[in-house]
Amino acid sequence: AQKITQTQPGMFVQEKEAVTLDCTYDTSDPSYGLFWYKQPSSGEMIFLIYQGSYDQQNATEGRYSLNFQKARKSANLVISASQLGDSAMYFCAMEATSGTYKYIFGTGTRLKVLA
Amino acid sequence: EADIYQTPRYLVIGTGKKITLECSQTMGHDKMYWYQQDPGMELHLIHYSYGVNSTEKGDLSSESTVSRIRTEHFPLTLESARPSHTSQYLCATKESGTVNTGELFFGEGSRLTVL
Repeated sequence: AQKITQTQPGMFVQEKEAVTLDCTYDTSDPSYGLFWYKQPSSGEMIFLIYQGSYDQQNATEGRYSLNFQKARKSANLVISASQLGDSAMYFCAMEATSGTYKYIFGTGTRLKVLA
Repeated sequence: EADIYQTPRYLVIGTGKKITLECSQTMGHDKMYWYQQDPGMELHLIHYSYGVNSTEKGDLSSESTVSRIRTEHFPLTLESARPSHTSQYLCATKESGTVNTGELFFGEGSRLTVL
């Protein structure tokens, strides 16, 4: 069975500081993708970053990077130089790319950036 | 960019009514998904589809059904609505194929209230 776990219900970070949002996952599929989405208070889902299970290097997209540790089954999101606009809910997600093809989400982490 | 249309955007109905939430997309994406999300909470996968005539149950599917007769259309039906069904329902699509990031494209959601 697939499972995504986000253990931080809420996080605070000072503006311009870096923050790490934790995500661990479990799957029996050998091939899978890991994702992070941002959901501001307005409600839309914004795709941030993707990491494939066979990718050798950690994914980066601007201020976002994904710290992928396959042996530990973790896919933490690192946001550098936090901005006030980063305040939102952040969801980790996983898709098994063989077998079930389920695309599931974690419980989310609410990030608040402080001025 | 995917164009995904959900109707109705808002619906208030009484207990026991049958309702269908519509989801249509214009990008020809093979994969489509229905999620249930209470405000600020996790997304629960209800149903998903790989393509025409293929549907699969998610983790929260026992009280609803879906169909996929056409690529562009993926309606969700609640046979007998209950107050516990009060929530927001998000439809999403995804391209198939090996060369893609796996990003989900979301509709604006259907907010359902069952009295």
